[in-house]
Amino acid sequence: GAVVSQHPSRVICKSGTSVKIECRSLDFQATTMFWYRQFPKKSLMLMATSNEGSKATYEQGVEKDKFLINHASLTLSTLTVTSAHPEDSSFYICSASPAGGPWHEQFFGPGTRLTVL
Amino acid sequence: AQKITQTQPGMFVQEKEAVTLDCTYDTSDQSYGLFWYKQPSSGEMIFLIYQGSYDEQNATEGRYSLNFQKARKSANLVISASQLGDSAMYFCAMREPYNTDKLIFGTGTRLQVFP
Repeated sequence: GAVVSQHPSRVICKSGTSVKIECRSLDFQATTMFWYRQFPKKSLMLMATSNEGSKATYEQGVEKDKFLINHASLTLSTLTVTSAHPEDSSFYICSASPAGGPWHEQFFGPGTRLTVL
Repeated sequence: AQKITQTQPGMFVQEKEAVTLDCTYDTSDQSYGLFWYKQPSSGEMIFLIYQGSYDEQNATEGRYSLNFQKARKSANLVISASQLGDSAMYFCAMREPYNTDKLIFGTGTRLQVFP
């Protein structure tokens, strides 16, 4: 199957710093990428939908100025957590839908565990 | 309203036995897709099986089968011949392409397989 990578897999940062998480589709082009957040023992919650070359669409309650999303190419989307605070500590997962593929296909990255001290 | 409901927070099954994980969904759309994902402790989301709303036959993928009962709006996952490596969280999800076109997840079921 198609491969989606995320970098870094784990990051620890100090409160107030910004953290960038990359999501790459390695062997396919993705017109749409999705960013999810998962708290411990909870389900995945969609944060935003990212379309290449256009602004991301954020879910209700997600601060777009805090969670900056850039989908600069068909294989890369980035999520930047600005001025991170301990409450931003979470597991962030991206997924990508292949361009021209079946509508239901969506491949997930391995996730990034963010810990804000 | 909850779109996807998984009523079993945890399930136990003995190795080599079959287990059914429940999932019910709510939609007024005719066209939708239902998914099951496995999430081991490492965190990655592993796609298991997909069922389209217009598919007349239940989906099967190896040891996984999806018991699709459209009228009851249920999409239960059946795992046959459980293995110790099946121990993980299992999420049911739905996507409505002509509505929000987002993958909405249930709360998950933690499956533990014991020897």
